[in-house]
Amino acid sequence: AQTVTQSQPEMSVQEAETVTLSCTYDTSESDYYLFWYKQPPSRQMILVIRQEAYKQQNATENRFSVNFQKAAKSFSLKISDSQLGDAAMYFCAYRSALSGANSKLTFGKGITLSVRP
Amino acid sequence: EAQVTQNPRYLITVTGKKLTVTCSQNMNHEYMSWYRQDPGLGLRQIYYSMNVEVTDKGDVPEGYKVSRKEKRNFPLILESPSPNQTSLYFCASSLGGSQLYGYTFGSGTRLTVV
Repeated sequence: AQTVTQSQPEMSVQEAETVTLSCTYDTSESDYYLFWYKQPPSRQMILVIRQEAYKQQNATENRFSVNFQKAAKSFSLKISDSQLGDAAMYFCAYRSALSGANSKLTFGKGITLSVRP
Repeated sequence: EAQVTQNPRYLITVTGKKLTVTCSQNMNHEYMSWYRQDPGLGLRQIYYSMNVEVTDKGDVPEGYKVSRKEKRNFPLILESPSPNQTSLYFCASSLGGSQLYGYTFGSGTRLTVV
């Protein structure tokens, strides 16, 4: 079974600075997808960024980028130019790419990010 | 607007009183799933459905039932709720099974069982 580990329960960043949220995962599969979700106080789950395991290139979405290290099974999220609206809980998640499998997302425990003005 | 609609948003009930949380999506997604979110545990899958009349257990199915009679609807049923089912529940849907799609989540149901 796959597991996702987010070892830092909380982090804080100064507005306009850069912060990196860590995530590691364990799997025996070679093809899979990785995601970062944001959950603001409204509790809505918002997809931030996604990465295909067979792609070497790290995904980027505006101020959000990932550092995907497949061999190390690491998938960290970098937020540049942090804004007050980035304050939220962030979840790292794994999804198998096996055809016909339960397409469940396996989530980490989440990290609460606060942004200091 | 493409969305997953969950109702109710908040629910307080008493132990043993049957309840249903509804979930509906308008994106023609095959895959739907229920999760519960608890502090320090992240989100855990309760049940999932890969298509109409096809449902299966996730990681924490005890005390829950689901049905998928229509593609768009996937209700979560608690036949005899207990206080340990107090949680934040999310319904989610997705296209296909093995493709690079994130989920579309509902807005969550905060359930309290007293």
